[in-house]
Amino acid sequence: GENVEQHPSTLSVQEGDSAVIKCTYSDSASNYFPWYKQELGKGPQLIIDIRSNVGEKKDQRIAVTLNKTAKHFSLHITETQPEDSAVYFCAATRASYSGAGSYQLTFGKGTKLSVIP
Amino acid sequence: GAVVSQHPSWVICKSGTSVKIECRSLDFQATTMFWYRQFPKQSLMLMATSNEGSKATYEQGVEKDKFLINHASLTLSTLTVTSAHPEDSSFYICSARWAGMRNEQYFGPGTRLTVT
Repeated sequence: GENVEQHPSTLSVQEGDSAVIKCTYSDSASNYFPWYKQELGKGPQLIIDIRSNVGEKKDQRIAVTLNKTAKHFSLHITETQPEDSAVYFCAATRASYSGAGSYQLTFGKGTKLSVIP
Repeated sequence: GAVVSQHPSWVICKSGTSVKIECRSLDFQATTMFWYRQFPKQSLMLMATSNEGSKATYEQGVEKDKFLINHASLTLSTLTVTSAHPEDSSFYICSARWAGMRNEQYFGPGTRLTVT
């Protein structure tokens, strides 16, 4: 089955600096890679995702890059703000564009991001 | 965006009793729902996958007779923890997707279960 490794487990940055979280996956058939933000006591919130036919995707201060050959993908947050402080999870799954497939997500172990004002 | 709710948000029950957690998709029809369990400072562990109108598929090591899952409609799935014990105390989270979503899963806010 799929195995997702996530690093670092904790990350502290000064407000305004950039933060980068990296994940690697093992199943070369995985083709969908979402990132979730989880605040304390809440459910995960989808913040950005990328599909295997794309190398990079950006949404305002957040970007994700994917290297299929190396089987790794990264989350980049620029101009960090205190409200970015949370636990971030990467995930991977093998999805079928025809609609079939279980879409079960395999999660990394999470990165606790602290943005220091 | 797609909204998933859970009820209750937290529950305390006595050992040996059963508790039901509801997961609802509010603005879309969820053809598939997932139930996760999360311990403090840990990642999400998939417990089971349920498709509307079908029996749930449980992950290895998850007792299907203890964690009863019902996905009777396209907007509602329930997880019943039967004969709860203190070790069942955890944060339970559901997620949902519909066939029209290419890949996205949307998560509920979670339910904190404490068994005393």
